[in-house]
Amino acid sequence: NAGVTQTPKFRVLKTGQSMTLLCAQDMNHEYMYWYRQDPGMGLRLIHYSVGEGTTAKGEVPDGYNVSRLKKQNFLLGLESAAPSQTSVYFCASRETTDYGYTFGSGTRLTVV
Amino acid sequence: AQSVAQPEDQVNVAEGNPLTVKCTYSVSGNPYLFWYVQYPNRGLQFLLKYITGDNLVKGSYGFEAEFNKSQTSFHLKKPSALVSDSALYFCAVRDHASDSWGKLQFGAGTQVVVTP
Repeated sequence: NAGVTQTPKFRVLKTGQSMTLLCAQDMNHEYMYWYRQDPGMGLRLIHYSVGEGTTAKGEVPDGYNVSRLKKQNFLLGLESAAPSQTSVYFCASRETTDYGYTFGSGTRLTVV
Repeated sequence: AQSVAQPEDQVNVAEGNPLTVKCTYSVSGNPYLFWYVQYPNRGLQFLLKYITGDNLVKGSYGFEAEFNKSQTSFHLKKPSALVSDSALYFCAVRDHASDSWGKLQFGAGTQVVVTP
């Protein structure tokens, strides 16, 4: 089925470890976004991309890096995980002429 | 800067009764407004949007929302709630005038609990 796929779905990290979250979409969307969801805070934008090779910072970018080497993939990296990065991470994509997002099913990350 | 407020953390309603989830927004230009729903351990699903035109927009699963420019509100409504409507609802706004990248600002979410 077409859509946005996130891997992994669950992960537990130790403080200081690194990892990469993968977001893949097969809809040929130009725009892709990474959000984190925390209780009582809604979704907050981490980084976003407006096309292959271009990325920009969102509302809460510190501690994260991203790359968009291929149009269909948007990677979110944590270089040195901290407990404050315990969250549910959602990726979304959008077609240029559309207004709403298509969301992935999320990655639940726990940093201990 | 754009912002969204959902004043209620939780809304409780009996099955068959009307359901309203409140949302107010602040943007510098014309808003694009959205409602999404999240079921447990799932991603967000699109319900409806207001871009322009008729202030009353209809969406999925019998939901509708009314755009009120003077009150800067976009409340979500359903005439008769179902137990299966129990979920977390998010309002989101995009300021079309100031943001060309389509970034959405989300509210904190409102948990809807529908009791049988």
